[in-house]
Amino acid sequence: NAGVTQTPKFRILKIGQSMTLQCAQDMNHNYMYWYRQDPGMGLKLIYYSVGAGITDKGEVPNGYNVSRSTTEDFPLRLELAAPSQTSVYFCASSYYAGNYEQYFGPGTRLTVT
Amino acid sequence: QKEVEQNSGPLSVPEGAIASLNCTYSDRGSQSFFWYRQYSGKSPELIMFIYSNGDKEDGRFTAQLNKASQYVSLLIRDSQPSDSATYLCAVNKGSNYQLIWGAGTKLIIKP
Repeated sequence: NAGVTQTPKFRILKIGQSMTLQCAQDMNHNYMYWYRQDPGMGLKLIYYSVGAGITDKGEVPNGYNVSRSTTEDFPLRLELAAPSQTSVYFCASSYYAGNYEQYFGPGTRLTVT
Repeated sequence: QKEVEQNSGPLSVPEGAIASLNCTYSDRGSQSFFWYRQYSGKSPELIMFIYSNGDKEDGRFTAQLNKASQYVSLLIRDSQPSDSATYLCAVNKGSNYQLIWGAGTKLIIKP
């Protein structure tokens, strides 16, 4: 199993550009999550999904959108990138709800200039 | 008050000693508590989880939970240089799907 995969690993965006961060898992997990991690900070939940077709906002959803058309994929869309979105983005998945182990992808380091 | 608080460190511990990491949380409804390890530039990985008051041991790691005092701790016995990492405490938000994360404690094991 590849586990949780994310692409790209690194990306530099100009202010106002848009992009999609890809996330896929091959563990047949129902629950998937997008986090951002700023330097010296904990993880902040952006969006999560409890299954295909069902998504909900987390703690810091502004400036982002998600979709979940399949169990495997959970892309994160950044519209009109801003410097405040410079961060490391982690995708995670779990078989059960938030009180069980989450498996993380390797992360995407995004810089907006 | 932050929902999950950890001392940012760095915490420096000699090799072979016991490292003690602490975490406090504010939501009395929380029932699940996790310790993740994160090496620099890498993603978090689960070390231990605990649901009940008391101690839970797994090899060199012991998680301790005290719900009355709202703290959870992680003890690492016989610390090794490979234990040098940032340790993140995560607590579930009541019965929600969400985990609330502390900012992490950086642990340095000195040979």
